[in-house]
Amino acid sequence: AQSVTQLGSHVSVSEGALVLLRCNYSSSVPPYLFWYVQYPNQGLQLLLKYTSAATLVKGINGFEAEFKKSETSFHLTKPSAHMSDAAEYFCAVSNTGGFKTIFGAGTRLFVKA
Amino acid sequence: KAGVTQTPRYLIKTRGQQVTLSCSPISGHRSVSWYQQTPGQGLQFLFEYFSETQRNKGNFPGRFSGRQFSNSRSEMNVSTLELGDSALYLCASSGAGGLETQYFGPGTRLLVL
Repeated sequence: AQSVTQLGSHVSVSEGALVLLRCNYSSSVPPYLFWYVQYPNQGLQLLLKYTSAATLVKGINGFEAEFKKSETSFHLTKPSAHMSDAAEYFCAVSNTGGFKTIFGAGTRLFVKA
Repeated sequence: KAGVTQTPRYLIKTRGQQVTLSCSPISGHRSVSWYQQTPGQGLQFLFEYFSETQRNKGNFPGRFSGRQFSNSRSEMNVSTLELGDSALYLCASSGAGGLETQYFGPGTRLLVL
């Protein structure tokens, strides 16, 4: 069975500081991994996805994530936080078999001025 | 290109009633997935439809059902509503499902009293 664990339900950073949101996955087959962002009262927007090509994946808005098989991790980073990055972020895993995507519990990112 | 639209955006029902939610995917998309989002359980996969056929199903009781029409529009029905069904219901569409990027609608917020 697949699962996703996001470490930290809330993360607070200062504007301009590094953003690091942690995600660990469990999968019996090679996983496909995603990061989504959700702004208040909106649906989810895909930030980036890993589909077994390059292990360092670059996404939108300056975010990137690195797939580390040995650590079963897919942490999301951004070098410099903007106020507009304040939102909830979801890590998700799927497999090659279909479209049953399993989401983590989410991490709410706060950005302080 | 218009995004995914969901109607209604907000809904209030009482226990025991039934409800139907609608999702119109992006033009040309044939896969539609439904998710339930609650503070306690997070984002949970309900089901996915592709070309009018249910292709994947999550672990929800039979009270939750769906269908897809020939124009790819999808409806989700919940019968005999319970208080615990109060949630944000999100719909996502993609071209062919699988690992293609899912585009989410803004959701329908359902409150069961």
